[in-house]
Amino acid sequence: DSGVTQTPKHLITATGQRVTLRCSPRSGDLSVYWYQQSLDQGLQFLIQYYNGEERAKGNILERFSAQQFPDLHSELNLSSLELGDSALYFCASSADTGPDRAFFGQGTRLTVV
Amino acid sequence: AQSVTQLGSHVSVSEGALVLLRCNYSSSVPPYLFWYVQYPNQGLQLLLKYTSAATLVKGINGFEAEFKKSETSFHLTKPSAHMSDAAEYFCAVSDPFQGAQKLVFGQGTRLTINP
Repeated sequence: DSGVTQTPKHLITATGQRVTLRCSPRSGDLSVYWYQQSLDQGLQFLIQYYNGEERAKGNILERFSAQQFPDLHSELNLSSLELGDSALYFCASSADTGPDRAFFGQGTRLTVV
Repeated sequence: AQSVTQLGSHVSVSEGALVLLRCNYSSSVPPYLFWYVQYPNQGLQLLLKYTSAATLVKGINGFEAEFKKSETSFHLTKPSAHMSDAAEYFCAVSDPFQGAQKLVFGQGTRLTINP
């Protein structure tokens, strides 16, 4: 158990809908990272937050957004969902800004039908 | 831009045989390099990392990797495969001068162990 908790574990929704994925980092970790793992694109970095502020941005679509709350949990919001958004979404957390010290959650599997 | 290429999306070895998973990287600066393992229905777990210290890096579960700058490679090896090693393995690179803020992953190699 990495200590990073993601909910829900599975999510099935229809095209055009909006969903929110939640991540609770390890106790004391200030950084949260979001990754998308799909068959087409592999494992891609989406976005990083550090202590409530956006720190780095990767291949995140404009339809997606994220935030980190004062209690350090983070949410990834996906809107106007398309079939191609079906993927495993991972959250990782680390004490500082170094992803080399990050621990990954088990992921949320999103299926868009 | 940095990138990673993992040669072979599937590798199959017999139990007790040598495991060799290949990773080549592209980076304009000396990189940090990582190997992660993903077991079914699990998140990623860090196996080992190279951060400009010793070029031969030892990780968990008997795995090791050697950074070879001249070959731009960071291949993962294990002398004797065990059934529990069956998983997907990802090589990743980051740029330490950019604050190592994001990892760029390879496409992954699925390792199968034959009894």
